[in-house]
Amino acid sequence: EPEVTQTPSHQVTQMGQEVILRCVPISNHLYFYWYRQILGQKVEFLVSFYNNEISEKSEIFDDQFSVERPDGSNFTLKIRSTKLEDSAMYFCAILDPNAGVGTDTQYFGPGTRLTVL
Amino acid sequence: AQKITQTQPGMFVQEKEAVTLDCTYDTSDQSYGLFWYKQPSSGEMIFLIYQGSYDEQNATEGRYSLNFQKARKSANLVISASQLGDSAMYFCAMSLRTNAGNMLTFGGGTRLMVKP
Repeated sequence: EPEVTQTPSHQVTQMGQEVILRCVPISNHLYFYWYRQILGQKVEFLVSFYNNEISEKSEIFDDQFSVERPDGSNFTLKIRSTKLEDSAMYFCAILDPNAGVGTDTQYFGPGTRLTVL
Repeated sequence: AQKITQTQPGMFVQEKEAVTLDCTYDTSDQSYGLFWYKQPSSGEMIFLIYQGSYDEQNATEGRYSLNFQKARKSANLVISASQLGDSAMYFCAMSLRTNAGNMLTFGGGTRLMVKP
């Protein structure tokens, strides 16, 4: 199973501040995803990223959000001006590169719990 | 647009017994993947099992099996010989091959509690 780490594990920030969440895959992957889970609710897709470009994004992923892979390894999610409703667990996921045609298994990192005060 | 429904918000099962967690999906696409993930109280999302829409046999992974009924659009997870460590939230999810990014759509989850 591919390893994915996320930093920080927990981030507390003031409303209106910028936050950057980081995802570090251990192996060289091409497909990356961000999901969020508001406490007690379902997991929601934010954005997918392939070959250094956004391939798909949800309605949640508005202009306040951006993603990039600045150094070819880390994959970051930036929230420019946080709102109270951004408080959630944010998961990075990668697509299994060893899966054959027809399998699209995504493996999740441990998550970053973001608390906006 | 695809949709996943998990109708059981909570389930109890006796240790060592089998339990079935329900999942139904709705899509007009013919090519898709179905997944189950486990989320323990620590919060991480752990991949359990995958079923492709064209797979003729039900997927199995150790104590987990997926009861795939394509005509009924259901993909129920069966856990055999439940253990205390199986107590967690379980999420059913789907991805469509026609989506460029293969995004996952999740159901609302089922909380499983295993009684000793």
